[in-house]
Amino acid sequence: QKEVEQNSGPLSVPEGAIASLNCTYSDRVSQSFFWYRQYSGKSPELIMSIYSNGDKEDGRFTAQLNKASQYVSLLIRDSQPSDSATYLCAVNRGGLTGGGNKLTFGTGTQLKVEL
Amino acid sequence: NAGVTQTPKFQVLKTGQSMTLQCAQDMNHNSMYWYRQDPGMGLRLIYYSASEGTTDKGEVPNGYNVSRLNKREFSLRLESAAPSQTSVYFCASDRAGYEQYFGPGTRLTVT
Repeated sequence: QKEVEQNSGPLSVPEGAIASLNCTYSDRVSQSFFWYRQYSGKSPELIMSIYSNGDKEDGRFTAQLNKASQYVSLLIRDSQPSDSATYLCAVNRGGLTGGGNKLTFGTGTQLKVEL
Repeated sequence: NAGVTQTPKFQVLKTGQSMTLQCAQDMNHNSMYWYRQDPGMGLRLIYYSASEGTTDKGEVPNGYNVSRLNKREFSLRLESAAPSQTSVYFCASDRAGYEQYFGPGTRLTVT
């Protein structure tokens, strides 16, 4: 079982619809969770972080975390063509030696927003 | 405020050549990281530096060395490049426990 699993897609949604991206993780001690957006040929860009169970909203983005089910999701409302990208889920299992953050990444879900 | 910067953006090496990838951040972050990204493999941690003066191995350290020059700068060195090191390399930084930010990346091809 992969530590962080995402459906690779592509996930196609029409412009204006809600896009729902899902991620499951295997390590119950995971402490914090992040969503990154990566356009083709570019670096990952942080769009959401979530640290406790429930929902967190930021503009058109909502992150949802359920630690009991080991599941984190990202909803994008009013999807736009500019949202077309690969979305990476990252899970922080806790401090590395000396205090760093061990992020484990999923392989990403490709989202296509169609006109 | 440039965030995380990396040089060079692109590099082509022949097998056996050496090179150093440079990374700098201006966010006063304590921790810095080097990742590689390969198709189908996701981002994998090569080395990290939790604080100035410390470095540790990540998941895939073989063939690489690092130097934390000061709080701002963290370099990655390939001593004898191999085709298996063809990849996109990202540097990242964060404050302990908080969000991690990435540089623009270096595309490396080893022939």
